[in-house]
Amino acid sequence: EAQVTQNPRYLITVTGKKLTVTCSQNMNHEYMSWYRQDPGLGLRQIYYSMNVEVTDKGDVPEGYKVSRKEKRNFPLILESPSPNQTSLYFCASSRSNYPGLAGEAYEQYFGPGTRLTVT
Amino acid sequence: GESVGLHLPTLSVQEGDNSIINCAYSNSASDYFIWYKQESGKGPQFIIDIRSNMDKRQGQRVTVLLNKTVKHLSLQIAATQPGDSAVYFCAENYNGDSWGKLQFGAGTQVVVTP
Repeated sequence: EAQVTQNPRYLITVTGKKLTVTCSQNMNHEYMSWYRQDPGLGLRQIYYSMNVEVTDKGDVPEGYKVSRKEKRNFPLILESPSPNQTSLYFCASSRSNYPGLAGEAYEQYFGPGTRLTVT
Repeated sequence: GESVGLHLPTLSVQEGDNSIINCAYSNSASDYFIWYKQESGKGPQFIIDIRSNMDKRQGQRVTVLLNKTVKHLSLQIAATQPGDSAVYFCAENYNGDSWGKLQFGAGTQVVVTP
């Protein structure tokens, strides 16, 4: 089954304790991205990756790191979490970052989400 | 799955009626737009997309309209069903920056009543 998986699904942690949220896709997608979702703010992009070893900042990268050492995995790292990073996090992937001349869909597949609480 | 409590604009629609969800986008140079649906407890799901060289695109029971003059996007759902109850987001992509960068709207909650 084609899917994007995230782990853990729920995490409660304390300020300053480093954590990693893993993301994996089994569709051989080139493009992967991390978002956070907060009430009234919709989805905001944290980081994205066009391909292996290629990453770039989204709109809200502060306090986060990512890596893309292999195609299927795109972990999100919080080196020193703070309470303002309490949020719902989604990982997504798509076949390509480019919609395509023939009108191919830029369809991103989203994971189920990770609820992070930082106290 | 997980959901987030969102204080969103709400559209109440009677089952069988047509729904129209509106979105104002921010960047006049954006050239690709996508509609997503997010059901309670799940991640967003792709519905339909449209490129800036088009003003209308149709899918199964859904139509997206793009008005670049006023930077407005709409999603029309025909014969709304209970399964259409969800939060709907529009997203825009500006190629001048990077194809990889997507910006999402805050979303609209659609509630389908029997």
